[in-house]
Amino acid sequence: AQTVTQSQPEMSVQEAETVTLSCTYDTSESNYYLFWYKQPPSRQMILVIRQEAYKQQNATENRFSVNFQKAAKSFSLKISDSQLGDTAMYFCASADGSARQLTFGSGTQLTVLP
Amino acid sequence: DTEVTQTPKHLVMGMTNKKSLKCEQHMGHRAMYWYKQKAKKPPELMFVYSYEKLSINESVPSRFSPECPNSSLLNLHLHALQPEDSALYLCASSELRGANTEAFFGQGTRLTVV
Repeated sequence: AQTVTQSQPEMSVQEAETVTLSCTYDTSESNYYLFWYKQPPSRQMILVIRQEAYKQQNATENRFSVNFQKAAKSFSLKISDSQLGDTAMYFCASADGSARQLTFGSGTQLTVLP
Repeated sequence: DTEVTQTPKHLVMGMTNKKSLKCEQHMGHRAMYWYKQKAKKPPELMFVYSYEKLSINESVPSRFSPECPNSSLLNLHLHALQPEDSALYLCASSELRGANTEAFFGQGTRLTVV
């Protein structure tokens, strides 16, 4: 079984600043994947970034990057140059290599302030 | 086409009604999922279909009945629901093989049971 923990229920950041969202996970699988999903008030769950556990290099997608610490089972999300449209609930999630269904953390509500 | 389409977007039903939620994807994904999400909480997995066969049922009450008529469609039949079943119901799909592990989500159906 996999577990995902997000310890920050709410965070806020000023527009154009950088913010880091924390996530830790636990799994007995050797082949697994980690994700950050964003859910704005429109309700659509949107993939922000994905990390394959077998890759040592941290994933980046434009203003979004992760710090993947495999030994510590840590997977934090850094958002640079925050924009008002980044305001959303952010969920950290994991999936093992075969089953594919997602295990979600409890979420972090991020508010970007003008 | 990277869309998962859910209908209806909103549904209000009485406890004696029978209704169905529909989900459609044309990405060739062979895994489809139903999640239930309460406000400010992460999605909870309900059902998983793999190759049109039910592979996971997370101990969901029988008043929820899933159906997968073909590889593109997923239904959730509702009958004799309770007010506590009011929630956002999310459909998702993903590939079952290969390195592309991303799950694509629909916008959800907001269900209110009165």
